[in-house]
Amino acid sequence: GNSVTQMEGPVTLSEEAFLTINCTYTATGYPSLFWYVQYPGEGLQLLLKATKADDKGSNKGFEATYRKETTSFHLEKGSVQVSDSAVYFCALSDHSGNTGKLIFGQGTTLQVKP
Amino acid sequence: DGGITQSPKYLFRKEGQNVTLSCEQNLNHDAMYWYRQDPGQGLRLIYYSQIVNDFQKGDIAEGYSVSREKKESFPLTVTSAQKNPTAFYLCASSPAGGGDTQYFGPGTRLTVL
Repeated sequence: GNSVTQMEGPVTLSEEAFLTINCTYTATGYPSLFWYVQYPGEGLQLLLKATKADDKGSNKGFEATYRKETTSFHLEKGSVQVSDSAVYFCALSDHSGNTGKLIFGQGTTLQVKP
Repeated sequence: DGGITQSPKYLFRKEGQNVTLSCEQNLNHDAMYWYRQDPGQGLRLIYYSQIVNDFQKGDIAEGYSVSREKKESFPLTVTSAQKNPTAFYLCASSPAGGGDTQYFGPGTRLTVL
């Protein structure tokens, strides 16, 4: 079945460092891919998305490119801030049966130190 | 402001009691979802509804029940049959099924004592 695998955390970086959080997926067909962010004690917020191969999603300095050949959707940011500390979830849309289900990775915690 | 509200934010219940979590949206979305979040396990789908008066089981529906009598409301009942109900519960909605972006509420943290 469909699945999403994220790199394990926590990821600890200093402010202004470069961020990469790896995400790979297994899916039939052509799913949409998402990155969500969760701040402590809150719900998930959509960070960015891509709906087809080679699309690049971007928002707030974060970006990710839908790579069908490597089944990946890695999240990157050139210079992280302390305020980026949160849990990041990669997800894909399960198109089988048109249910609208999202399949989530286990989440990666990012800690940015000043 | 449009959005999704969940209440209460924190909920405490004794073992063996049923409890109902509220989820309301004013986004005019057709589809609504309930997820359970446990530490280190990501989100798991409990139930979903793509239209009023219809809903389907997700991956972990045992011990839970839902209703969808109004488009804007999708309450979740955690029954006494749920073996380990302590968790963070998240409600989401989307314009329609089939890969649309889902928008999440702030969550309810349920603790069963």
